[in-house]
Amino acid sequence: AQSVTQLDSHVSVSEGTPVLLRCNYSSSYSPSLFWYVQHPNKGLQLLLKYTSAATLVKGINGFEAEFKKSETSFHLTKPSAHMSDAAEYFCVVIRRDDKIIFGKGTRLHILP
Amino acid sequence: DARVTQTPRDKVTEMGQEVTMRCQPILGHNTVFWYRQTMMQGLELLAYFRNRAPLDDSGMPKDRFSAEMPDATLATLKIQPSEPRDSAVYFCASGMTPIPYNEQFFGPGTRLTVL
Repeated sequence: AQSVTQLDSHVSVSEGTPVLLRCNYSSSYSPSLFWYVQHPNKGLQLLLKYTSAATLVKGINGFEAEFKKSETSFHLTKPSAHMSDAAEYFCVVIRRDDKIIFGKGTRLHILP
Repeated sequence: DARVTQTPRDKVTEMGQEVTMRCQPILGHNTVFWYRQTMMQGLELLAYFRNRAPLDDSGMPKDRFSAEMPDATLATLKIQPSEPRDSAVYFCASGMTPIPYNEQFFGPGTRLTVL
């Protein structure tokens, strides 16, 4: 069965340093993949999505993600972290039967 | 600035009481989702509707939960009777087909506490 794994439940980085949030999926085909962000006490907001066009996807707030089929990964990156990036990030995969599968989430902490 | 609205934002109730949560999707969106979020289980999809018809409610406990869309501007999620294990934040989201391949727009959530 298709699934999505977020490898880290918590990530801490210093302000101004790069961010890497890891996501791996299991699938026999190229799925649709999303990253959503949830700030404290808020609903989720779409950061970016991959739907089989360009493998490098640019999103809002300087985030981007690269789809790597050989590694079945869709890691989220940002060159320089900002305090406002502190939030929880969800990787989402859409199965072939249109089921929506959310990862467990990665909480990003930004150190001053 | 179109956004999904949810009421109430917070609800505290006693076990056994009926709870109704309401969601107003973004005007023109034809798909509505209900999610539940807890620390233990994370984010769970309970049900979703397309053009007001239920498309998938496999994630919803059928014995006490029900979801409806009386019209295109209102979605409701009811729990009867409520139990302490129902305590969670309930999110509504809306979007346009082709869902689920398009963005979902989330409301601010209803925080439910069942004592």
